Amino acid sequence: GQQLNQSPQSMFIQEGEDVSMNCTSSSIFNTWLWYKQEPGEGPVLLIALYKAGELTSNGRLTAQFGITRKDSFLNISASIPSDVGIYFCASGYGGATNKLIFGTGTLLAVQP
Amino acid sequence: DGGITQSPKYLFRKEGQNVTLSCEQNLNHDAMYWYRQDPGQGLRLIYYSQIVNDFQKGDIAEGYSVSREKKESFPLTVTSAQKNPTAFYLCASSITLTGIDSPLHFGNGTRLTVT
Repeated sequence: GQQLNQSPQSMFIQEGEDVSMNCTSSSIFNTWLWYKQEPGEGPVLLIALYKAGELTSNGRLTAQFGITRKDSFLNISASIPSDVGIYFCASGYGGATNKLIFGTGTLLAVQP
Repeated sequence: DGGITQSPKYLFRKEGQNVTLSCEQNLNHDAMYWYRQDPGQGLRLIYYSQIVNDFQKGDIAEGYSVSREKKESFPLTVTSAQKNPTAFYLCASSITLTGIDSPLHFGNGTRLTVT
């Protein structure tokens, strides 16, 4: 079945560093979403992308919908300790439903 | 504040027992979903519902059942037929089922442990 390849699997960085993670697929999608999940909580939507080539920012976060519609990246600038969590990409393949496929997540640890 | 409430946060059951997880939303969303999360894996869709009294199987529906008698409620029953029920269960909702500009909003999950 369809799946999203998310990398890296984990990142351990120092506070203040920039972070970059990405998702790729062999299939074409028309939605890319980025979620953050903190321990014991549900994922929270960070950024939603609906158009190929779209570049969207949310504070220190920037995400882009790849021009081929098969990939997306998320950048976090000047990381802070509260950025810790698991970041998931999710993508929709449209059609008659809004069902999403989720990546396996990137675990981010930020050392003060 | 509008949101999705899942209860309980932690649930323990003996093998062979059915257990029902609660999910309530006051966002007036039409669509609701149940996902299962296992360590190191992405979320996998169990069931989803577009409107009241209608629901569809997701990718891993075997051993689970749902009902949608009210717009705001979408309980999930984990039956004894589910071979590996211990997991973190997430309920979500969206304004509509169709339409790509209707992102999912998640509850805070229920961690089910079956021994």
